[in-house]
Amino acid sequence: DTEVTQTPKHLVMGMTNKKSLKCEQHMGHRAMYWYKQKAKKPPELMFVYSYEKLSINESVPSRFSPECPNSSLLNLHLHALQPEDSALYLCASSQEEGRNIQYFGAGTRLSVL
Amino acid sequence: GENVEQHPSTLSVQEGDSAVIKCTYSDSASNYFPWYKQELGKRPQLIIDIRSNVGEKKDQRIAVTLNKTAKHFSLHITETQPEDSAVYFCAARPPGGYSTLTFGKGTMLLVSP
Repeated sequence: DTEVTQTPKHLVMGMTNKKSLKCEQHMGHRAMYWYKQKAKKPPELMFVYSYEKLSINESVPSRFSPECPNSSLLNLHLHALQPEDSALYLCASSQEEGRNIQYFGAGTRLSVL
Repeated sequence: GENVEQHPSTLSVQEGDSAVIKCTYSDSASNYFPWYKQELGKRPQLIIDIRSNVGEKKDQRIAVTLNKTAKHFSLHITETQPEDSAVYFCAARPPGGYSTLTFGKGTMLLVSP
C-alpha cells in the first residue's frame, strides 16, 4: 500500500477563518512533508517532519502552522490566510528523511476568498 | 543549494513518436534523481528514478539516462500514447539525512492521436 490520504479534497475559506488540512499514511514512513503547488509550477517544499519532529521549515509564514500528532498523521493549521495562499497543498511521505522515494497524496485544493 | 533546470517547458508529439525531456543539476554531490508525472488535477506520481551509481534505467516504454560528468539526466518515452499527456517534473537530491528534493519547473507533454 503506497497510499497517502489527504482531507479535505477541496477547501474554501475566508481570510479570517481557521481551518486545518489533514494527511495520513500507514506505510510506517517516518518522514512527512508539506508542499505548496501553484498551477503549472513544481511543488514547493514548506515543512519536513522526521520522527515526529519538525526538521525543516522553509521560511513559511506563521499563518501556516504544522503539527505531527503521531507517526501516521500530519496536520497543517491555517489562520488569517491571504488570497495568494490559494493553491494545491500536497502532503508526501518517505521511509526516512533524505532517503527513499516520496509518495504524494492527492492534495487539498485551497481557495482563499 | 541545488538548482535544477528542465527543458523544454512544453513538448508536443504525435502518438507513436518518442519524447525526450532533459534536466541539468548544479550540485555534483546529488545522487538521487526521480521523475514524477502529474496529470491535470492529480497528484505527482513517481514513474522512474535513478541513483548515481548507474547510468541508465529502463521500465517498459520509459527510460532515464544519467551523465554525472555533465550533470544532466534525461527522460525518454518511446511509442507515446495520448495517456502519456501530463506535466513531468524532474528532481535531484544530494545525499545526507536532511537533504530534500529540488524540482525542475516541469514539462507539459501533449501527445496528439
